[in-house]
Amino acid sequence: DGGITQSPKYLFRKEGQNVTLSCEQNLNHDAMYWYRQDPGQGLRLIYYSQIVNDFQKGDIAEGYSVSREKKESFPLTVTSAQKNPTAFYLCASSMDRGLVAFFGQGTRLTVV
Amino acid sequence: LAKTTQPISMDSYEGQEVNITCSHNNIATNDYITWYQQFPSQGPRFIIQGYKTKVTNEVASLFIPADRKSSTLSLPRVSLSDTAVYYCLVGGNNAGNMLTFGGGTRLMVKP
Repeated sequence: DGGITQSPKYLFRKEGQNVTLSCEQNLNHDAMYWYRQDPGQGLRLIYYSQIVNDFQKGDIAEGYSVSREKKESFPLTVTSAQKNPTAFYLCASSMDRGLVAFFGQGTRLTVV
Repeated sequence: LAKTTQPISMDSYEGQEVNITCSHNNIATNDYITWYQQFPSQGPRFIIQGYKTKVTNEVASLFIPADRKSSTLSLPRVSLSDTAVYYCLVGGNNAGNMLTFGGGTRLMVKP
């Protein structure tokens, strides 16, 4: 069953701790994206990657880091430098039609 | 991506047709228009994409005038389950685009 999987669905962390969100896709897509969504707001782009071992900052990259060692995987680390990390995080992937992306179900991160 | 402008919110009633308009005055020649739907606590879902005139699928229709400076997403006979946020994106349809979402239009369908 092809798709894009984010895990976990809910994540709780103490303030000051780094946390890594998982995103895996088996769609053979080249491009992958990470977004942050706050309540009642639209999606804001954190990072995106067009190919393996390459990624670019989006609009709100500060306090976040990513890696793209495999085509299927694009993990996002929320570092202690992110001042307000509590949010809904969405991962997406796309292939040859750049505006047509497939999204995961999201990870809701709560930092206490 | 070209800047887009959509209404922040819209209300409708079950069974009505809903039209959501997106303005994109600086659309480029190679740009496509794409719409997504997002339910609460879920990722957005691709609905429809077009370049010019009219596109229709099992979910919606997309109307694009000749000057392409705006587009209208049409949802026929909406139901309560169509309550969602709808996003309009405009940009080149090549691989690896930096997908940028605006605030979207929050559609509320009432019984």
